[in-house]
Amino acid sequence: GAVVSQHPSWVICKSGTSVKIECRSLDFQATTMFWYRQFPKQSLMLMATSNEGSKATYEQGVEKDKFLINHASLTLSTLTVTSAHPEDSSFYICSAVLALSDTQYFGPGTRLTVL
Amino acid sequence: QKEVEQNSGPLSVPEGAIASLNCTYSDRVSQSFFWYRQYSGKSPELIMSIYSNGDKEDGRFTAQLNKASQYVSLLIRDSQPSDSATYLCAVNVYGGATNKLIFGTGTLLAVQP
Repeated sequence: GAVVSQHPSWVICKSGTSVKIECRSLDFQATTMFWYRQFPKQSLMLMATSNEGSKATYEQGVEKDKFLINHASLTLSTLTVTSAHPEDSSFYICSAVLALSDTQYFGPGTRLTVL
Repeated sequence: QKEVEQNSGPLSVPEGAIASLNCTYSDRVSQSFFWYRQYSGKSPELIMSIYSNGDKEDGRFTAQLNKASQYVSLLIRDSQPSDSATYLCAVNVYGGATNKLIFGTGTLLAVQP
């Protein structure tokens, strides 16, 4: 149980384009999902907290207009990187929390490369 | 500043030995603590959670928590080469409406065959 999927697993795009990443909880409902970013040889950095049916809460320094998050259902959250630039190239990982729990289960991650 | 600190390593142990990974945290009110394992190029996978002072065992893994000292550790018995990975300590902190995890930078463990 507690399986989280992400799609796509990797994506290469041109600078200036937008990329959407999906995060799904496959066997449970998640009222809360999180989005992280990880640069090489660094730890995970929380970007935003996504709550179903409400606006996401962004961490300090994360541009909410650049990283659009939508959590339209209890099993799906999406992160859209708008007008991507090479410095946005990173490993993006989502996690989902079981109801009545504080344990986060992570998706497999999406590796974004912006040319 | 709420922080989680780990020794970055690498921690090198021979196969079959006990690996000891340590973590300290600064937020005194934290109540939930987690150890994740992350292989290179992969996302973190949950090893254990611990909420109460003392030891919690799960197979070859034992988590230890001391809230007074703000210290949590992970012991890996009978270490195997497949245990070679980065181990992330994470502490749940209250972030307003939702709790959130603060991660340490991770300790790289290398188990030598």
